[in-house]
Amino acid sequence: DQQVKQNSPSLSVQEGRISILNCDYTNSMFDYFLWYKKYPAEGPTFLISISSIKDKNEDGRFTVFLNKSAKHLSLHIVPSQPGDSAVYFCAASADNYGQNFVFGPGTRLSVLP
Amino acid sequence: NAGVTQTPKFQVLKTGQSMTLQCAQDMNHNSMYWYRQDPGMGLRLIYYSASEGTTDKGEVPNGYNVSRLNKREFSLRLESAAPSQTSVYFCASTPRGHGERPMSTDTQYFGPGTRLTVL
Repeated sequence: DQQVKQNSPSLSVQEGRISILNCDYTNSMFDYFLWYKKYPAEGPTFLISISSIKDKNEDGRFTVFLNKSAKHLSLHIVPSQPGDSAVYFCAASADNYGQNFVFGPGTRLSVLP
Repeated sequence: NAGVTQTPKFQVLKTGQSMTLQCAQDMNHNSMYWYRQDPGMGLRLIYYSASEGTTDKGEVPNGYNVSRLNKREFSLRLESAAPSQTSVYFCASTPRGHGERPMSTDTQYFGPGTRLTVL
């Protein structure tokens, strides 16, 4: 049973509009969350993170929102650019996972010109 | 800095063959990881090493062995490859040491991946 879920395998958005990628988790012990971006034939690269003591973290065009009561986080990209087309992974960590992260299955974002 | 490097980039094996995937990082990181990525499954942790000389099992360790040769290098060995091990393998590293929790700026740095096919 997946503890980190990304229920949308793919998402298409027009250039300039907002992209919203969603992630749900089941383990209430998760307290640190990250988003990674992955281009084909490359390794994932870190995008943005959030600790459970916050409900929002912003970095340029990227904002992550955390709703602990709903066990839900989302990544907003505004405005979306064609270069944002990639697979986005949500990952979570908890004390009882030590140093390890649990990854979601990913969402493929396509930003259309 | 090269970051995290992996060799080889591609490999085709026959069932039962063995091979070692190499990983090295030049960032003086304490922890290193091996993941596999399969379609629709995200990245799953195979083994990790929180410090030189220590290794621990992750979510899917069966069929694999690892060696933390020194602080820089962490290898993954398939003793008898099976078609179920066809996957893309990623090595990663992070500055955190043993027992340290993620900090707000913490992240893992990934290598470019090794695409392995077992026939």
